[in-house]
Amino acid sequence: QVQLVESGGGLVKPGGSLRLSCTASGFTFSDFYMSWIRQSPGKGLEWLSYISGFSTIIHYADSVRGRFTISRDNAKKSLYLQMDSLRAEDTAVYYCARNWNYFDFWGPGTLLTVSS
Amino acid sequence: DIQMTQSPSSLSASVGDTVTITCQASQDISNYLNWYQQKPGKAPKLLIYDASNLETGVPSRFSGSGSETDFTFTIRSLQPEDTATYYCQHYDDLPYTFGLGTKVEI
Repeated sequence: QVQLVESGGGLVKPGGSLRLSCTASGFTFSDFYMSWIRQSPGKGLEWLSYISGFSTIIHYADSVRGRFTISRDNAKKSLYLQMDSLRAEDTAVYYCARNWNYFDFWGPGTLLTVSS
Repeated sequence: DIQMTQSPSSLSASVGDTVTITCQASQDISNYLNWYQQKPGKAPKLLIYDASNLETGVPSRFSGSGSETDFTFTIRSLQPEDTATYYCQHYDDLPYTFGLGTKVEI
């Protein structure tokens, strides 16, 4: 069965960096676009970025463009989100999701808290 | 960005009731609209895609309709396990955006 599991969340100071990981199983990872989506009490669900199966197509939301970098390693069936210049407003639960025209499978999420 | 306006923000209903949630897009998105269910502490779960198509394994009491700017999500014969927050999401253009959610209490 399809499974996605995020890891790497935690407490980071403003201006700091962190890398999230998402490990996939149960499907041919390279066949699918993958997205990062976050959820915070103040802003609800927010799509952040997606990456195509072989990393040729990448898009970002304006709120994270230039600060966050999405990548993937198909051999490891893993998706990543490198987050730099973190701000308090980046505090949220971060989900990875398999991406078609919809998000059909989601991981359980990992919590990022940005605070001094 | 396309704005998705959901209403109501919350509702309370009884077991067996039919509930309806609406989602209005700020511009024509054809049928590029999905619906998700989220229970507390869990990730969202896809219920309806392309406005009216039921995801595999989702009970048939859930349904969706609409096109262009106005969409409806319906739960017929409400069950206790349907207590959750429901979100609409468009994929007409980037950025994909979600509605703010409708909390359904039973």
